[in-house]
Amino acid sequence: GAGVSQSPSNKVTEKGKDVELRCDPISGHTALYWYRQSLGQGLEFLIYFQGNSAPDKSGLPSDRFSAERTGGSVSTLTIQRTQQEDSAVYLCASSPLQAGSNSPLHFGNGTRLTVT
Amino acid sequence: GEDVEQSLFLSVREGDSSVINCTYTDSSSTYLYWYKQEPGAGLQLLTYIFSNMDMKQDQRLTVLLNKKDKHLSLRIADTQTGDSAIYFCAESISGSARQLTFGSGTQLTVLP
Repeated sequence: GAGVSQSPSNKVTEKGKDVELRCDPISGHTALYWYRQSLGQGLEFLIYFQGNSAPDKSGLPSDRFSAERTGGSVSTLTIQRTQQEDSAVYLCASSPLQAGSNSPLHFGNGTRLTVT
Repeated sequence: GEDVEQSLFLSVREGDSSVINCTYTDSSSTYLYWYKQEPGAGLQLLTYIFSNMDMKQDQRLTVLLNKKDKHLSLRIADTQTGDSAIYFCAESISGSARQLTFGSGTQLTVLP
C-alpha cells in the first residue's frame, strides 16, 4: 500500500475485554513504532521493533499491553483487560531505518480506542 | 532525561505569520523535527533540521534553532486556514535505537 495502514479506525469496547489493534507498515520499512496519544497530550512511546532485533518494550505502561510483529511486517498491539484509562488514539509508524539517522517516521491514521 | 515542551494553543489571522515554539532539554539531540497532525489523521513530517544548522527554509516554512538555549521554532508565512492543525516538535539523538521524543503539540487555529 501507499502508506501505513491501521485497523480498525475506531474501536469501542467494554471495560475488562481484550482488544487487538493492527498495523500494516510501508513495505520494506524495517522499523515499526507504536505510540499512544491521549486527549490534549503528546505522543507516548509504547514499543519499537527494528528488523530482527529484540523489541524495545520500555514504553509499555503495564503487563496488560503486549505487541508482536510477525515476519518483520504486520504488527499487532494487544491490550488485555482494558481499563477506561486505556482510551486513546493508538498510532503506528514505520521507517526504513532506525530513529536518529534522519529517517522520518511515516504514521498511520491511528485507531481510536474507547473503553466504556 | 529527554523532555520537549510546547505551548498548547496559538491563534493567528489568515495571512499573518505563525510562530510555534519548542524547547528541549537533551543537548545531544541530533535531529529536530516538526510534524503536523490534521483532525482524524496521523502525523505528517513537515520539515526537520540537523543540530549543526541554525536555520532552514522550505517555501512558507522557516525553522530556527538556537542550540545554546535549546529552542526551536517553526514560522509559517502567510498562514492559511488549511494550516490549522496540531504541530508537534520532536527530537532524536544520534545513535539512539529508540523512538523520537515528542512535545505535547501546539493547536494552531487560523481565523478568517
